[in-house]
Amino acid sequence: DAGVIQSPRHEVTEMGQEVTLRCKPISGHNSLFWYRQTMMRGLELLIYFNNNVPIDDSGMPEDRFSAKMPNASFSTLKIQPSEPRDSAVYFCASSHSGTSGYNEQFFGPGTRLTVL
Amino acid sequence: GDSVTQMEGPVTLSEEAFLTINCTYTATGYPSLFWYVQYPGEGLQLLLKATKADDKGSNKGFEATYRKETTSFHLEKGSVQVSDSAVYFCALSLNQAGTALIFGKGTTLSVSS
Repeated sequence: DAGVIQSPRHEVTEMGQEVTLRCKPISGHNSLFWYRQTMMRGLELLIYFNNNVPIDDSGMPEDRFSAKMPNASFSTLKIQPSEPRDSAVYFCASSHSGTSGYNEQFFGPGTRLTVL
Repeated sequence: GDSVTQMEGPVTLSEEAFLTINCTYTATGYPSLFWYVQYPGEGLQLLLKATKADDKGSNKGFEATYRKETTSFHLEKGSVQVSDSAVYFCALSLNQAGTALIFGKGTTLSVSS
């Protein structure tokens, strides 16, 4: 199994530019999570999907952030326009959420975003 | 609300020292509990888990016991190695289909030789 795949691994952009982060979950998993990690705020849950439907987006910091999951094997997190304070490592995770509710999450390697 | 509280770091130890990282939780119902580890430059990976009271999770010499009476899930290792240097996250699952894990803030462990 390839695990959760994220791209790009590193992204450097200038303030005001659009940034798109991509995630391919583990095949067969039906829940997908986007996290942001910074030194100041630690690990924050931004949004998660269950069966491609957004369930909780209360962690999305503001309207500049948007996430989509058009199918079970792909999700994007978009920041438009980007700002320096968006600089962080963004993780995608997936899990198989069955009726038991036991939700072990598998994390991708992360995308390190730097906004200049 | 549901939450996880872990001891603040960093924790600095010498090789072969005993490790304890405290974790307590607040949750409705009967959650499952997890410890995740994040090595430098990598994503989080599951270290161990326990799904019901009195269960002991163990992996790579690490152990944690689910204590319902004290709502705790402390991580222990008898003899740490330099390679154990990482950030450790305690987390809980409410065991409801389609819900997210609730993570603690993480504890940084640094082991020197």
